[in-house]
Amino acid sequence: KAGVTQTPRYLIKTRGQQVTLSCSPISGHRSVSWYQQTPGQGLQFLFEYFSETQRNKGNFPGRFSGRQFSNSRSEMNVSTLELGDSALYLCASSLTGVRGTEAFFGQGTRLTVV
Amino acid sequence: TQLLEQSPQFLSIQEGENLTVYCNSSSVFSSLQWYRQEPGEGPVLLVTVVTGGEVKKLKRLTFQFGDARKDSSLHITAAQPGDTGLYLCAGAGETSGSRLTFGEGTQLTVNP
Repeated sequence: KAGVTQTPRYLIKTRGQQVTLSCSPISGHRSVSWYQQTPGQGLQFLFEYFSETQRNKGNFPGRFSGRQFSNSRSEMNVSTLELGDSALYLCASSLTGVRGTEAFFGQGTRLTVV
Repeated sequence: TQLLEQSPQFLSIQEGENLTVYCNSSSVFSSLQWYRQEPGEGPVLLVTVVTGGEVKKLKRLTFQFGDARKDSSLHITAAQPGDTGLYLCAGAGETSGSRLTFGEGTQLTVNP
């Protein structure tokens, strides 16, 4: 069974540009969540999509947006990049069952804003 | 807002020693997960606990969920250099969908 796939693995962008990151969840998982990880803040929740609808949203500015397609693949977009957006962006594919919510992460996309 | 406090933040021990990492909150979680993360990689799920008082063992790792489902611990017996990594606890709220609240993490270094 394939795991969570995130592309690209690495990105370097300039301040003011925009970026789109992609995530393919585990087959059969309908929930996809995005997290930002930085050394100072740890893992911070961005948003969650379930069946193409945003189900939860964290405390990030509107520059951060996402969407989910009918095949459960998800993208997140960051517009007008700032230096502080440099981080590891992680996508998690989740399944909720009798064992609670289990989230499986991709390898992440390392974004560097210069 | 649910918060998870994880301690200690850093731990450096010698091979063969035992250690315990704690994860505490004032909130109740429907389930709690422990992850291990290597530099530049995504967290890898180690275990999920869902029942108050639950104890799960994974080889030399023992995970416990508090009776009130507000806290958890990870105990490693006879640590090995291969256990080195960032350990993260994460809780799922009862009405938060798949949203997880993460602790700050414990950076464990096991020296040979």
